[in-house]
Amino acid sequence: DAKTTQPNSMESNEEEPVHLPCNHSTISGTDYIHWYRQLPSQGPEYVIHGLTSNVNNRMASLAIAEDRKSSTLILHRATLRDAAVYYCILRDVRETSGSRLTFGEGTQLTVNP
Amino acid sequence: EAGVVQSPRYKIIEKKQPVAFWCNPISGHNTLYWYRQNLGQGPELLIRYENEEAVDDSQLPKDRFSAERLKGVDSTLKIQPAELGDSAVYLCASSLWWSSNSPLHFGNGTRLTVT
Repeated sequence: DAKTTQPNSMESNEEEPVHLPCNHSTISGTDYIHWYRQLPSQGPEYVIHGLTSNVNNRMASLAIAEDRKSSTLILHRATLRDAAVYYCILRDVRETSGSRLTFGEGTQLTVNP
Repeated sequence: EAGVVQSPRYKIIEKKQPVAFWCNPISGHNTLYWYRQNLGQGPELLIRYENEEAVDDSQLPKDRFSAERLKGVDSTLKIQPAELGDSAVYLCASSLWWSSNSPLHFGNGTRLTVT
């Protein structure tokens, strides 16, 4: 599996935007970029995924660099409930739907009131 | 829709004792996963099922761990005998089988403490 690199931790203030970076310099053409987050004492939760184009959903936006070697998860207005560990994961589209998700250590996001 | 249900939520046992975890996936999800998460780390896959068939169990320590998914719905993960190093959170997840980008839906896990 291609690897991703994320900062160990980041801080933000409530109601401000948050940009969570992820580097994946060895990404292949068939790798989708997935983001999950894990709130305290809960299982991981799907956030968003994309291939080449920027993506938006109700939770967040995903900005993907033109060369696809990096991406940024954008939370437009952080709330205290967004405090979590955020995981950036590459998933090969050639594999079956059951392809494994390989988690790294993620970025611990702290949101200050 | 109801999410992935796991039980028990917490389990404390002495080493060398057996333990079992149960998972009920989201209705209609053919693919089921068991992950283990050590403190401060991301989850690691133990085993993946497509319906009732274990299609990826390369990370499962087969000397003491076993899993089953009878009838392709609920699943049980067992450890016998448990060791101190097995203390972790055991997470179950499910997804629709037909899409390679189908998101995984996780339960809240079972926190195992082996003393």
